Amino acid sequence: SAVISQKPSRDICQRGTSLTIQCQVDSQVTMMFWYRQQPGQSLTLIATANQGSEATYESGFVIDKFPISRPNLTFSTLTVSNMSPEDSSIYLCSVTVGTSGSDEQFFGPGTRLTVL
Amino acid sequence: AQSVTQLDSQVPVFEEAPVELRCNYSSSVSVYLFWYVQYPNQGLQLLLKYLSGSTLVKGINGFEAEFNKSQTSFHLRKPSVHISDTAEYFCAVSSSASKIIFGSGTRLSIRP
Repeated sequence: SAVISQKPSRDICQRGTSLTIQCQVDSQVTMMFWYRQQPGQSLTLIATANQGSEATYESGFVIDKFPISRPNLTFSTLTVSNMSPEDSSIYLCSVTVGTSGSDEQFFGPGTRLTVL
Repeated sequence: AQSVTQLDSQVPVFEEAPVELRCNYSSSVSVYLFWYVQYPNQGLQLLLKYLSGSTLVKGINGFEAEFNKSQTSFHLRKPSVHISDTAEYFCAVSSSASKIIFGSGTRLSIRP
């Protein structure tokens, strides 16, 4: 299993600013992902954070808006850039220990972002 | 491409009654199927998963799900629900590279 922490747990930000969310795992993991959960909605995959290379973004998400870093096997950051109220969501980090689709994905507690 | 459809956005049931939360998926390849639960103001927790073998999968908290390949379904069931089962339930599918696609979720509300 894996224990995941995220910082900050919540934040209220002004329009036009940027926020960087940190994800720390208690063990080395193979895959790290970032999801967004808009109010009352399901989880949408933003990108796969690749260690040592650029993240792989899903359709509708771009690096300029959501730059991601993954400097090692236990840590990743997601930045929400030039924020607008539409970015108000819960942002979740998740990890798997293996690389197979059968591996359980563990989720962090999430970062609740409100943009005014 | 894969997709997951949860047919019911909300399911209200009385305590100790049985419940079924419906999930259908589409995929051109073999898939792995999951049910996750999200309790109020908490993160996601894995309830159960189907990888292969027996089509009836048992999970935590008395939940079980049945994989039906011909109907492309993976419905979640519990014979008797408790107030503490009040939560959002997400069906999910993956095929490879650990990328999981989530359904829209079903809010289960339990009435005393």
